[in-house]
Amino acid sequence: QVQLQESGPGLVKPSETLSLTCTVSGDSISNSYWTWIRQPAGKGLEWIGRFYPGDTSYNPSLKSRVTMSVDRSKSLFSLRLSSVTAADTAVYYCATYGSGSDAFEIWGQGTMVTVSS
Amino acid sequence: QSVLTQPPSVSGAPGQRVTISCTGSSSNIGAGYDVHWYQQVPGTAPKLLIYGNNNRPSGVPDRFSGSKSGTSAALAITGLQPEDEADYYCHSYDTSLSGVLFGGGTKLTVL
Repeated sequence: QVQLQESGPGLVKPSETLSLTCTVSGDSISNSYWTWIRQPAGKGLEWIGRFYPGDTSYNPSLKSRVTMSVDRSKSLFSLRLSSVTAADTAVYYCATYGSGSDAFEIWGQGTMVTVSS
Repeated sequence: QSVLTQPPSVSGAPGQRVTISCTGSSSNIGAGYDVHWYQQVPGTAPKLLIYGNNNRPSGVPDRFSGSKSGTSAALAITGLQPEDEADYYCHSYDTSLSGVLFGGGTKLTVL
């Protein structure tokens, strides 16, 4: 069973770049779609984007600031979000599909990121 | 605009049946894309409840069921239990967004 664990700095200054990693264990990181989703406190879920070699897509509202990548040697899935503001303060989740469906069957526990000076 | 609309809140007494609607448009649910549902207890990650409109992952009680018709979908919960109190989200793909769309979420209160 695949397990996901997000990690990264809990505090980022405005205008800086937020960098998070998702450690994938229990299965190969290859040949799967990997997704980042975020949730501001008390609000709903927002899709940030998904990564797959040759088939990466980002939320149009964030596209100019988002970069996702995979390091197969370390089984890491990464998110970089540039020029952050307080509106980027949220819990960030990594997630992946189950087999035979584009539902998010597997989620990390989430990591809280606060944007503040 | 690409939106999946859910009621902000629903409630029911233990043992009752409740439904949560998810209304989309011709660019998402109406285009034939699957609808999935998640349950989120505050402070925890969402948990997949229904996938592919009406399929339950292993371990999800059959009290939970999903349906889809036209540009809408619904999650039904029968025999409400106190532990069902949580936030529920629908999810589909949207061609205008070229990506994933979540509903705004519905808070279920078990009275």
